[in-house]
Amino acid sequence: AQSVTQLDSQVPVFEEAPVELRCNYSSSVSVYLFWYVQYPNQGLQLLLKYLSGSTLVESINGFEAEFNKSQTSFHLRKPSVHISDTAEYFCAVSGAGGTSYGKLTFGQGTILTVHP
Amino acid sequence: DAGVTQSPTHLIKTRGQHVTLRCSPISGHKSVSWYQQVLGQGPQFIFQYYEKEERGRGNFPDRFSARQFPNYSSELNVNALLLGDSALYLCASSRTGFNTEAFFGQGTRLTVV
Repeated sequence: AQSVTQLDSQVPVFEEAPVELRCNYSSSVSVYLFWYVQYPNQGLQLLLKYLSGSTLVESINGFEAEFNKSQTSFHLRKPSVHISDTAEYFCAVSGAGGTSYGKLTFGQGTILTVHP
Repeated sequence: DAGVTQSPTHLIKTRGQHVTLRCSPISGHKSVSWYQQVLGQGPQFIFQYYEKEERGRGNFPDRFSARQFPNYSSELNVNALLLGDSALYLCASSRTGFNTEAFFGQGTRLTVV
């Protein structure tokens, strides 16, 4: 079984400031890790994912996340945020095999609010 | 290409009624998963279907059931609705049964009164 803990329920920041959204996970098997973004009244959009290989993964809109196996973390960072980044962000984990076949386990979400 | 489509977008039902939610995956995707997202929480896994077979089931009562059709579309059925079933129901499709990349629909907002 897997679990995900997002350490901050709300993160307010000013525009052009850096931001870090924290995510820790637990799993007894190898994992895939994901960050999804959800805008109000919409579904989830995949922001970035770690499947294997380089532990640093990047999105096309400037976000990055680093898989840290020893600390079981997958924190999301952006060096300079925009107003349009205001949304709710979900960290998710999927087992890379076994009984977690196909199941995504999500954290509780972090609401990022970017102020002008 | 069309993304994952869900219908209806909004629905209001009375306690005790039955509801059917529908999902069409992205063309070429053979796996469909269903999630329940209660307001203020992360999505919770309900079911996964791959090649028309149930591959996984979350911790939901037997009032919840689903199926996948030969064209890979899917239905989620909920019987004897409770107020606590009010939520956004999300469907996700992926090419294979492994969630290396799951694409989500816009969801169906179910309100039980």
